[in-house]
Amino acid sequence: AQSVTQLDSQVPVFEEAPVELRCNYSSSVSVYLFWYVQYPNQGLQLLLKYLSGSTLVKGINGFEAEFNKSQTSFHLRKPSVHISDTAEYFCAVRTGNQFYFGTGTSLTVIP
Amino acid sequence: GAVVSQHPSWVICKSGTSVKIECRSLDFQATTMFWYRQFPKQSLMLMATSNEGSKATYEQGVEKDKFLINHASLTLSTLTVTSAHPEDSSFYICSAPVGGWNSPLHFGNGTRLTVT
Repeated sequence: AQSVTQLDSQVPVFEEAPVELRCNYSSSVSVYLFWYVQYPNQGLQLLLKYLSGSTLVKGINGFEAEFNKSQTSFHLRKPSVHISDTAEYFCAVRTGNQFYFGTGTSLTVIP
Repeated sequence: GAVVSQHPSWVICKSGTSVKIECRSLDFQATTMFWYRQFPKQSLMLMATSNEGSKATYEQGVEKDKFLINHASLTLSTLTVTSAHPEDSSFYICSAPVGGWNSPLHFGNGTRLTVT
């Protein structure tokens, strides 16, 4: 079975600083990778996805992620964060019709 | 883009009563929908997979008689929490894959259930 690991449960960062949220998964066989953002009392919103092709994918709100097959990683990055980026971020992997989620990273942007 | 609509967004009910949560796919057909439960500051816990026209598939440890799922049409799945108790208080989120075999999930906005 697939497992998704988000090592950092909480990431505080100052406004306009860069940030990286880490995600590792266990099996690279036919996986599709996603990052979601969740604001308080809301559902999850898709930030970006990797299906195939270029390993660097760009998403909404200035976020990007890089697929690294050898390291089975899919880290999320943003070069300059805003206060509005404060939220919970989830990495997800799809294998077949199964979706696996990481435990989430709480990003707090400090003014 | 694909929209999943979940209703109600929040509900308060008394212990022992039942609550129904609706999940609709507004501009696409969903043969499969997923129901998740989320505790504060935690990740999503898959409760069950709802399949149109057939029985739902429940995850281990989820009481199927307590959490009734009905997926009667390609655009509607419902989750009914029967005889709710305070420990059922939680955030429930539905989702559906949109598109083909590599598509992401699209999520409803969730339902905050509080049982008093």
